[in-house]
Amino acid sequence: EAGVAQSPRYKIIEKRQSVAFWCNPISGHATLYWYQQILGQGPKLLIQFQNNGVVDDSQLPKDRFSAERLKGVDSTLKIQPAKLEDSAVYLCASVRDRGLNEQFFGPGTRLTVL
Amino acid sequence: GDSVTQMEGPVTLSEEAFLTINCTYTATGYPSLFWYVQYPGEGLQLLLKATKADDKGSNKGFEATYRKETTSFHLEKGSVQVSDSAVYFCALSDNAAGNKLTFGGGTRVLVKP
Repeated sequence: EAGVAQSPRYKIIEKRQSVAFWCNPISGHATLYWYQQILGQGPKLLIQFQNNGVVDDSQLPKDRFSAERLKGVDSTLKIQPAKLEDSAVYLCASVRDRGLNEQFFGPGTRLTVL
Repeated sequence: GDSVTQMEGPVTLSEEAFLTINCTYTATGYPSLFWYVQYPGEGLQLLLKATKADDKGSNKGFEATYRKETTSFHLEKGSVQVSDSAVYFCALSDNAAGNKLTFGGGTRVLVKP
């Protein structure tokens, strides 16, 4: 079975610009997570979706970050405007049902903000 | 809130040496515990897990035991190989919080021939 797909793999932007990341979870996985991994740190949850509804976005900086999961499949994470401290790897993970606890991770998108 | 603390790296070892990476946690409920591994240039992969106290997770020669009394989940391998060079993350999943993962800071392991 295909894994979690993410694109782009790398992105370099200037501060105050906008950027969007895309995630396609494993087919049939209802729960989708976005994590931010700053260099040298562990991943930190940004937002969790169950189908197309938001379950937890308490750690999402809503003044600049937004995410959606239309139709309960693909998801997009956007940053507008970007700051230097947003430089990180953005990881997408999915699980078939949030009652299960093994998450499958995509390769991530490495964002550099100059 | 939930948190995970793991030993800082980098840890440098010779091939066939014994590896231990310490991990302790704090959680309000009864979490599941995980070790994830990130090989150079690759995504996070689940290495092993344990879902309740005294469970032992094992995979690829690695082991970790869920110790509720010491709130620990230390990772061990008896004889490391160069291919074990990676960053290892300890994590917990709180069943009462949508099973989101809370990660430690990661430990880089470098195994030299």
